[in-house]
Amino acid sequence: DAKTTQPTSMDCAEGRAANLPCNHSTISGNEYVYWYRQIHSQGPQYIIHGLKNNETNEMASLIITEDRKSSTLILPHATLRDTAVYYCIAVPMNTGFQKLVFGTGTRLLVSP
Amino acid sequence: GAVVSQHPSWVICKSGTSVKIECRSLDFQATTMFWYRQFPKQSLMLMATSNEGSKATYEQGVEKDKFLINHASLTLSTLTVTSAHPEDSSFYICSASSITVYGYTFGSGTRLTVV
Repeated sequence: DAKTTQPTSMDCAEGRAANLPCNHSTISGNEYVYWYRQIHSQGPQYIIHGLKNNETNEMASLIITEDRKSSTLILPHATLRDTAVYYCIAVPMNTGFQKLVFGTGTRLLVSP
Repeated sequence: GAVVSQHPSWVICKSGTSVKIECRSLDFQATTMFWYRQFPKQSLMLMATSNEGSKATYEQGVEKDKFLINHASLTLSTLTVTSAHPEDSSFYICSASSITVYGYTFGSGTRLTVV
């Protein structure tokens, strides 16, 4: 079962910041928080990941609370092409590659 | 960046026939590949994990004799759906991982329709 819970859907106006929350209150100390998104009928696309510290890349920013029980993905200036399902996933930091367990994700709709 | 190519992007086959889906890592060597299935309006469900040169590890409830996975090289994994039935119609997605690549890179998916 997925260790994360996310709102089912969110709306955002084009040009505004989209803040997508994720609850992972049972996450272990050795688990990263990964974010992926899936545009309709395509494979998931990696966005960002983090362990404790906040992270930023060219796509988004990831804010992780100090207790690591929740995080927020921020798309600073949402565009219509950001309409997708966003998945927050807890991934163990063990050696070897761990399988990703996808939850239901958040369906983000960016409108003009 | 890391690219995973999946082929075909869509396929229609007759009930009872077999279909092979290929997943290739184009610019990196993938030591581990994952196969997912996604039904309409649902999330991705992991089917199996394969390591190069080893037998795949299937998730509970996935028939290994029906969904044959081969990972013969570091750049290619295949999923063969044998004796396909209409209920096997779904979106199949592969993912590849490597120590040289951040995260897990996904293919673009294959939409299988069994008629």
